[in-house]
Amino acid sequence: EIVLTQSPGTLSLSPGERATLSCRASQILSSSYFAWYQQKPGQAPRLLIHATSNRATGIPDRFRGSGSGTDFTLTISRLEPEDFAVYYCHHHGGPPHSFGQGTKLEIK
Amino acid sequence: EAHLVESGGGLVQPGRSLRLSCVTSGFIFDDYVMHWVRQAPGKGLEWVSSISGDSGSTAYADSVKGRFTISRDNAKTSLYLQMNSLRAEDTALYYCATSTGGWSGDFDYWGQGTQVTVSS
Repeated sequence: EIVLTQSPGTLSLSPGERATLSCRASQILSSSYFAWYQQKPGQAPRLLIHATSNRATGIPDRFRGSGSGTDFTLTISRLEPEDFAVYYCHHHGGPPHSFGQGTKLEIK
Repeated sequence: EAHLVESGGGLVQPGRSLRLSCVTSGFIFDDYVMHWVRQAPGKGLEWVSSISGDSGSTAYADSVKGRFTISRDNAKTSLYLQMNSLRAEDTALYYCATSTGGWSGDFDYWGQGTQVTVSS
C-alpha cells in the first residue's frame, strides 16, 4: 500500500503570502493519478488539482500543482482569506486509494 | 452539476448493522465509479470502498473487508454501503464520491456526508 506523507502538518501564513505544501509518497507514482483536495470546516472535500498539475473546474490560477516520482507540491501563490483550510493529497491509481494525513493552512 | 446526498447514519451499538445510502442526480450515474470515504472526528480522509458503474468490480479497505458491502442501483441512481459488525473505530462521517475518470479517477464530486457513531 502506498503511504503519502504531507508536510508540514500545520502552516501558519498571512493573506497575500505564498504557501507551499508538500506530499511525499512511499514509492514512485504516476503523475496521472495524483490529486489535491481542499476541505473547509464543516464541508466536504473539494477537488482542486487532478493529474498532478491540472486545476479542476472553477479553481483559480493561484493554485498550482507540480511534482513527479515521489515528491509532489501544491503552491498557492497569493493567499486569499478563503484559502485557509485543510489540504489533502491523494493517489488514485486504483484501489486501495491513499490519502495524505492533511496539511492545515491557518492564518498567522 | 452533480449532486450527492447521503443518509442512513446514526448511533448504533457495537456489533450491530447500518445501511448508508447516497442518492445522486445531475450526471449519468451508470457511467461513473462510485466510492465511500470516511473521516473520523478530527482526523483525515480514509478510503473505504469503490464500485464500478456496472457493479462488476468492487474493492474494500482492509479495515472493512468482510464486514462492509458496497452496492448500487443504477435505476435509482443510488449508492449503498451495508455495514455489519460495526466497531467503535468505524465512527466517522461517511462521504460518497464520484470518479468521472473511471476506476483510477480522482474523486470529482462529494456529498456532504452522513455521521455514523458506534457506541454502547
